Amino acid sequence: QSVLTQPPSVSAAPGQKVAISCSGRSSNVGNNFVSWYQHLPGTAPRLVIYDNNKRPSGIPDRFSGSKSDTSATLDISGLQTGDEADYYCATWDSSLSADIFGGGTKLTVL
Amino acid sequence: EVQLVQSGAEVKEPGQSLKISCSASGYIFNDYWIAWVRHVPGRGLQWMGMVYPDDSDTRYSPSFQGHVTISVDKSIHTAYLQWSSLEASDTAIYYCARRTVTTFRQSYMQFWGQGTLVTVSS
Repeated sequence: QSVLTQPPSVSAAPGQKVAISCSGRSSNVGNNFVSWYQHLPGTAPRLVIYDNNKRPSGIPDRFSGSKSDTSATLDISGLQTGDEADYYCATWDSSLSADIFGGGTKLTVL
Repeated sequence: EVQLVQSGAEVKEPGQSLKISCSASGYIFNDYWIAWVRHVPGRGLQWMGMVYPDDSDTRYSPSFQGHVTISVDKSIHTAYLQWSSLEASDTAIYYCARRTVTTFRQSYMQFWGQGTLVTVSS
């Protein structure tokens, strides 16, 4: 059981928007910046959001992030079948003195 | 171009030792932490620990402390993850990643190795 809680799965139709939540506590999300990763099993994870809401070069603006108190959210708009993957939030946990990942959310584009 | 190239797949028996590597290029190696992340198929990503090449400072997740050793050889820009006695439960894909730290509260892993599959079976 992960310290960061994510829904196991979300789904939406192509072109629609989906939100993936990441709930933590003051020792992690509440006082540190959150990053998000897209992972297709068997391939390297890909950073899609860092510092809560910044996009690395090459990530389309359909991906956006936000954070409020001890929760963070990854929004993906204009869904494409290529967006199907597992998505993980991550942050530093000051109590554990370690990075932690959320349990992951499987996105299905119907 | 930043690149992290990992060593190849390994098949080991329980109780054997193993050391896998992550060779970095395209940036100042000493200036960034290298992290190790485990992925067990069907399960999530797990952060194992990290090493700072400049001074070999090493941090571990409590879940992996004492079971693995992370090290670095900055002369050849390579980080390592090793086990002294493998268990079947160590079967997984292991990724290294370059960890950027902007401030002590801001960190992320932007560049990743291709992964090393470790299979432990008798």
